[in-house]
Amino acid sequence: AQTVTQSQPEMSVQEAETVTLSCTYDTSENNYYLFWYKQPPSRQMILVIRQEAYKQQNATENRFSVNFQKAAKSFSLKISDSQLGDTAMYFCAFGLDKLIFGTGTRLQVFP
Amino acid sequence: DTEVTQTPKHLVMGMTNKKSLKCEQHMGHRAMYWYKQKAKKPPELMFVYSYEKLSINESVPSRFSPECPNSSLLNLHLHALQPEDSALYLCASSQGPRQRAFFGQGTRLTVV
Repeated sequence: AQTVTQSQPEMSVQEAETVTLSCTYDTSENNYYLFWYKQPPSRQMILVIRQEAYKQQNATENRFSVNFQKAAKSFSLKISDSQLGDTAMYFCAFGLDKLIFGTGTRLQVFP
Repeated sequence: DTEVTQTPKHLVMGMTNKKSLKCEQHMGHRAMYWYKQKAKKPPELMFVYSYEKLSINESVPSRFSPECPNSSLLNLHLHALQPEDSALYLCASSQGPRQRAFFGQGTRLTVV
């Protein structure tokens, strides 16, 4: 069975700074997908970034990038130039036949 | 249209009531999902429909009954719920489990 672990329950960062959220997972599969989802207070889950396990190149979406280390089963999210609107709960997720979510990291961006 | 629409946004029901949650998407997605999310917890998968057929049931109690009338609609019928069933119920859709999932804003359910 796959598991996803997020070891940072809460993080905070000042506006315009950079923050990295950690995620590790466990699987015996070789081809899978990894995701970071954001859930602001409005409750709607929004995809931040997606990584295909067979691709070595790290995914990037504007200010968001990942550090995907397949051998170490690590998938961290870096947010550059943090903005107040980035304040949210961030969930790492593993996708194979279904999505499995980590426990989440609550990120607070301060002015 | 990249939206998943859920109704109602809030629902309060008694333990003897029967109610339904509705979810609609018009993105042509063939996979639709129901998740349950308790406060400060990650979403927990309940059901997966693939091509309008139930493909995954995560051992959900029978007081929750899913239905997929067509490729755009997903319902969750509720009957004889318990107070511990109070939670945010999220619907999502995607082209498949390895593809981006689009989520609705959820229904906040309170069982009294």
